[in-house]
Amino acid sequence: QSALTQPASVSGSPGQSITLSCTGTSSDVGGYTHVSWYQQYPGKAPKLIIYEVNNRPSGVSNRFSGSKSGNTASLTISGLQAEDEADYYCSSYTITTTYVFGTGTKVTVL
Amino acid sequence: QVLLVQSGAEVKKPGASVKVSCEASGYTFTTQYMHWVRQAPGQGLEYMGFIIPSSGITAYAQKFQGRVTMTRDTSTSTVYVELSSLRSEDTAVYYCARDLGIFCLGYWGQGTLVTVSS
Repeated sequence: QSALTQPASVSGSPGQSITLSCTGTSSDVGGYTHVSWYQQYPGKAPKLIIYEVNNRPSGVSNRFSGSKSGNTASLTISGLQAEDEADYYCSSYTITTTYVFGTGTKVTVL
Repeated sequence: QVLLVQSGAEVKKPGASVKVSCEASGYTFTTQYMHWVRQAPGQGLEYMGFIIPSSGITAYAQKFQGRVTMTRDTSTSTVYVELSSLRSEDTAVYYCARDLGIFCLGYWGQGTLVTVSS
């Protein structure tokens, strides 16, 4: 199972909106709604921020939103803030009944 | 509150095995799947597999099949991951993570650094 493809880095200015992509295949992203996104700060464990494509866990800012089209899922961060600077990983359930993560995107706030 | 507490750092020689534990508390242990994820230094997250605590049934990512074993002890609410035939590329932080019951990893342990070095 190959890792899902994410851009290595995305940057934006405070207040802007940015979108991170996550491309898989019909055996993972395209075949299931079980796509989630995780935020990770250096030296810390990942934190779930989106599940089932576009749902936010309790306590996660509504500036984070998710979507999916075909084999590509997306995470949009609106009203970018300094605290959003982190690594972001997508994940999908797969046809092999396990999961796969994306390659990760480093978000930089300019 | 849900808490996952992992065992401490390990240093192993190539060819050896390592077993990392993850003790769960704050919920009924047998109700949710537990996953294992690792992250090599400076690299991304890599999914290893999961165990169903109520039955012990496991599913491993293809890359780790034959080399990984996940087990659980319901009496202590602890899950374990054992990786054999260690090589330098297995140097990583290993995380346990509890499923939310909706196909996502909602709670994470603090991570355990495993270093493989001769």
